[in-house]
Amino acid sequence: NAGVTQTPKFRILKIGQSMTLQCAQDMNHNYMYWYRQDPGMGLKLIYYSVGAGITDKGEVPNGYNVSRSTTEDFPLRLELAAPSQTSVYFCASSYRGGTNEKLFFGSGTQLSVL
Amino acid sequence: KQEVTQIPAALSVPEGENLVLNCSFTDSAIYNLQWFRQDPGKGLTSLLLIQSSQREQTSGRLNASLDKSSGRSTLYIAASQPGDSATYLCAVRVGNEKLTFGTGTRLTIIP
Repeated sequence: NAGVTQTPKFRILKIGQSMTLQCAQDMNHNYMYWYRQDPGMGLKLIYYSVGAGITDKGEVPNGYNVSRSTTEDFPLRLELAAPSQTSVYFCASSYRGGTNEKLFFGSGTQLSVL
Repeated sequence: KQEVTQIPAALSVPEGENLVLNCSFTDSAIYNLQWFRQDPGKGLTSLLLIQSSQREQTSGRLNASLDKSSGRSTLYIAASQPGDSATYLCAVRVGNEKLTFGTGTRLTIIP
C-alpha cells in the first residue's frame, strides 16, 4: 500500500536553478494537488488536477508548472528557483465522485533555495 | 473568501485527560470538513471527514462535530495518550472549490 509517493525528500537549490518534484499515487484517484507549507502558515494550494490532461491554478501558482499525462503521476516543476520558494511541498490525492473523499498526502519535500 | 481559524495555536494537557480542539470558518456554505493530523517532518493524515449534512463523525477515541450555522467544528479526543501529540489541522471545502486549511493546533500530551 504505497499511497502517495513523493521524491526527493530534501533538496537544496541555488537561485535560478530548476528542478522537478515527483509525485505518484497508486489509488486510482482522479484529483491530485500540490500544496506548500510555510512555518506558521496553513497549506496553500499551488496547482491541482481533476484528471489526466487537466490542470488548474491554485492560490499561489507563480513560479511553478505542472502536467498530468497519466492518472498516477503529477510532477511539479520549478523553473527559476527563488528564495521565496523555500518551503515544504506536499502532494495529495483524493477521489471525488463518492461520499468519502478523504485527502491522502505524501510525506513531503523540504526545499531550500539559497 | 473562506477563512479558517484554529485557536489555540498550541495546547498542553496531562495524559489521560479528555480535550477539545476548535476550528472556526467564515463561510457556512461548506461542502465538507476534514480533520487532519500532522507529525513532525511528515505529511498530513486524514482523521475524520464530515459532510455538510452530518453533525458528527466518530473514529475510536476521536469525535468530530460540525455546526455549520455557527461556523464551528470541534475535535474531541478522549483519554489522551502521549502518542496523540501532533499538530491537528482542519480544512473546509466550499462547493466544488479547493480546501481551505487552518494553521493548526500543536498538541502536546504530558506523560
